[in-house]
Amino acid sequence: AQSVTQLDSHVSVSEGTPVLLRCNYSSSYSPSLFWYVQHPNKGLQLLLKYTSAATLVKGINGFEAEFKKSETSFHLTKPSAHMSDAAEYFCVVSVRYGGSQGNLIFGKGTKLSVKP
Amino acid sequence: DSGVTQTPKHLITATGQRVTLRCSPRSGDLSVYWYQQSLDQGLQFLIHYYNGEERAKGNILERFSAQQFPDLHSELNLSSLELGDSALYFCASSPRASSYNSPLHFGNGTRLTVT
Repeated sequence: AQSVTQLDSHVSVSEGTPVLLRCNYSSSYSPSLFWYVQHPNKGLQLLLKYTSAATLVKGINGFEAEFKKSETSFHLTKPSAHMSDAAEYFCVVSVRYGGSQGNLIFGKGTKLSVKP
Repeated sequence: DSGVTQTPKHLITATGQRVTLRCSPRSGDLSVYWYQQSLDQGLQFLIHYYNGEERAKGNILERFSAQQFPDLHSELNLSSLELGDSALYFCASSPRASSYNSPLHFGNGTRLTVT
């Protein structure tokens, strides 16, 4: 069965310091993986996607994620946090046959706080 | 701006009532997905329509129904509302019949409060 686990429900960093949001997935075949960001009172916006091309994926706003098959991980990073990065981040695995979950399996989200 | 429009932005209603949420997908997108987001359940897939036809159903309650019209906009109808139905309801669209390998574009949601 496919699943995705976001290891931290809340991460707090200081402005200008690196960001690491952790995600592990479980999939019976090569997955497609996405990261979405949700700012308060907004919809989800696609940050980046991995679809079996390069393992290091660059997204918008300076974020990137590395697909590591051996570790079944797809962690999201950013070298230097900005105040505007404060939001909730969702790791998503895309599956061919999702059943009642649909094709996209969402993690429970990680809330990122950025301190001045 | 994702190009997906949801109305209304906020809805406050009483238990037992019925409401309709509306979604206009991005221009050219044929698929519309509905999701429910609540604090305790997270993001839950409700239903997916492609070009007017129902493609997949999630854990959608029998009190809820949806449809996609010939102009591709979609409506989610929630009836006999309960306090537990209070949530943020998202619509998302994509050009393809399946969201496998294909990211979705989300609207800003309708916040439903049932009192």
